[in-house]
Amino acid sequence: NAGVTQTPKFRVLKTGQSMTLLCAQDMNHEYMYWYRQDPGMGLRLIHYSVGEGTTAKGEVPDGYNVSRLKKQNFLLGLESAAPSQTSVYFCASSSRDAQETQYFGPGTRLLVL
Amino acid sequence: GQNIDQPTEMTATEGAIVQINCTYQTSGFNGLFWYQQHAGEAPTFLSYNVLDGLEEKGRFSSFLSRSKGYSYLLLKELQMKDSASYLCAALDSNYQLIWGAGTKLIIKP
Repeated sequence: NAGVTQTPKFRVLKTGQSMTLLCAQDMNHEYMYWYRQDPGMGLRLIHYSVGEGTTAKGEVPDGYNVSRLKKQNFLLGLESAAPSQTSVYFCASSSRDAQETQYFGPGTRLLVL
Repeated sequence: GQNIDQPTEMTATEGAIVQINCTYQTSGFNGLFWYQQHAGEAPTFLSYNVLDGLEEKGRFSSFLSRSKGYSYLLLKELQMKDSASYLCAALDSNYQLIWGAGTKLIIKP
């Protein structure tokens, strides 16, 4: 039981490049989330999903897209990376019955030059 | 607007007790969370309070006052491994977590 996993762990991009961050969970959780964490700021919700095939915008969705084609996977895409997207990205999941308790992946550190 | 306030940094001595405060303002309220985050790692769940009062879990306790929009995390018998950031988060009416910036706790021998 790996919990929540994220790939890659670290990535360097040039401005304008695109990439996809993958999140996978093996806990059969319905809800999944993508956050970014920046120094001196709280975790900010980018997008979330309440079930397979559904996604919704969070607090800071601009510049990102997501997809939830399978229940266990939640992908975060950056179509044209910008230096402002340099951050640590965390994926989390929770069950419908206990949606308030979220389990986090180890994070992806992204540097955009 | 929605807001979570907690101190940026605190220092305490090994073996002592420390209290980390958190105040919140949210549109609706469905509970208050505390997470621990060691440097370079993911946040991990510590506690969840939805009713007023103190919840004790080993060396850690969490308190909530809904009328005051206030919570604290109490850590007893501090150990060096407790050096971490402690994140306060409130669950709003849409069941979205609103996060504070975290309190970095430094433990000195």
